[in-house]
Parts: sequence; C-alpha cells; structure tokens
Amino acid sequence: KQEVTQIPAALSVPEGENLVLNCSFTDSAIYNLQWFRQDPGKGLTSLLLIQSSQREQTSGRLNASLDKSSGRSTLYIAASQPGDSATYLCAVRRVDSNYQLIWGAGTKLIIKP
Amino acid sequence: DTAVSQTPKYLVTQMGNDKSIKCEQNLGHDTMYWYKQDSKKFLKIMFSYNNKELIINETVPNRFSPKSPDKAHLNLHINSLELGDSAVYFCASSFSGGVYEQYFGPGTRLTVT
Repeated sequence: KQEVTQIPAALSVPEGENLVLNCSFTDSAIYNLQWFRQDPGKGLTSLLLIQSSQREQTSGRLNASLDKSSGRSTLYIAASQPGDSATYLCAVRRVDSNYQLIWGAGTKLIIKP
Repeated sequence: DTAVSQTPKYLVTQMGNDKSIKCEQNLGHDTMYWYKQDSKKFLKIMFSYNNKELIINETVPNRFSPKSPDKAHLNLHINSLELGDSAVYFCASSFSGGVYEQYFGPGTRLTVT
C-alpha cells in the first residue's frame, strides 16, 4: 500500500532564506510525482510535475527532485518571499488502480518578513 | 477563463438534507475527479470519471452519488447529510493516463450543522 509522508509538518523561516521541503513514499512503482500549493481557503495549484523517468524539474525559484529508488522527493525554494507562505502538498500517481493520486498531509510554510 | 470551476464555494446545511455540488472544466480533459479534504487536510479520492464512465469508486457511503452528464461536467449529490460529511470537496480534471497533471477547482466547503 502506497503511503506518502511529508516532513516537516510546519516550517517557519525568515524571508530570503533557501529552504527544502521533503516528501517520501513507500512504493517506488509510480508514474510521477506532483507538488501542489494550497493557500488558505483556496484550491490547489500545481507547481511541478516530475515523471518517473526524470530526476528534477524547475520552475522559477522552485526546483523539485525525484529519487524513485529511495522513495524521496524534495522541493527546493530559493530566496523565499512572504508570498510563498502556503501549505505545500506532494502526491504520487500510482501505476495501478487507475492512476490514483496518493497524497501527503502537507507542509505548512510561513515566511516571515 | 476559469479552468476548473465549482459551485457553490460554501455550503452550510443541516443534517438530513440533500445537497449537490457542481463542477465544470473547460480544459478539454476527458477525466474528472472528486476529492474530499478532511479537517486534518488529508486529500482522498472519492470518484473518477473517464468519458462519462465511472472508473474509480473508493469506499464512500452510497449517500454520495456522482453524475457526469458529459466530459466537461461532474456533479456530486449527497443524500441525508451527516455531521461527518463536513469537509472541503475538490473537483479536478486531467487527460486520461498516468503521465498527465491534474488541475483542481477552488473547492467547496461543506458545513453540516
């Protein structure tokens, strides 16, 4: 059974710092891994999608890596800004069961001005 | 030009009532999903439709009935609402297959009193 864990559950850092969010999963049989952002009271915004054959994806100040064999992904945020404050969720796409997404519980990130 | 839209955004109702949530996507996707996010922020798949055909039906009480009149719409009807149904319900869509991103609606916050 696929389980996704995100550590830490919450993180507070000063503005300008670089930071890393972690996501681990128990079954390496995945199609891809997706990182999302959720702002309070709002929907989910897809940030990055990494296919199982890829090692990393970049978008602006965000860089996501994937090590499928060890069941780990990281989301690196460079030069953090107060606007980056949100909950960050990772989800893996199973290769069975109609490509279901299995979700982590998220990391709540607060960037202090 | 909203990609995935849901109505209503907020829904407050009493136990025992029947309510519906509507979802529409204009992305040309052939697969749509309903997710439930509970108070602990965990997201769980409830249903998935591909070309109006139900392909995922997780362990959900049969008080919940999805309906897909066409590829662009997926509605969720809930009968005899219970306190435990209070949650945020998200609609999402994607192209079929494991490699594609899912795009999410803004969510419907359901409160049952």
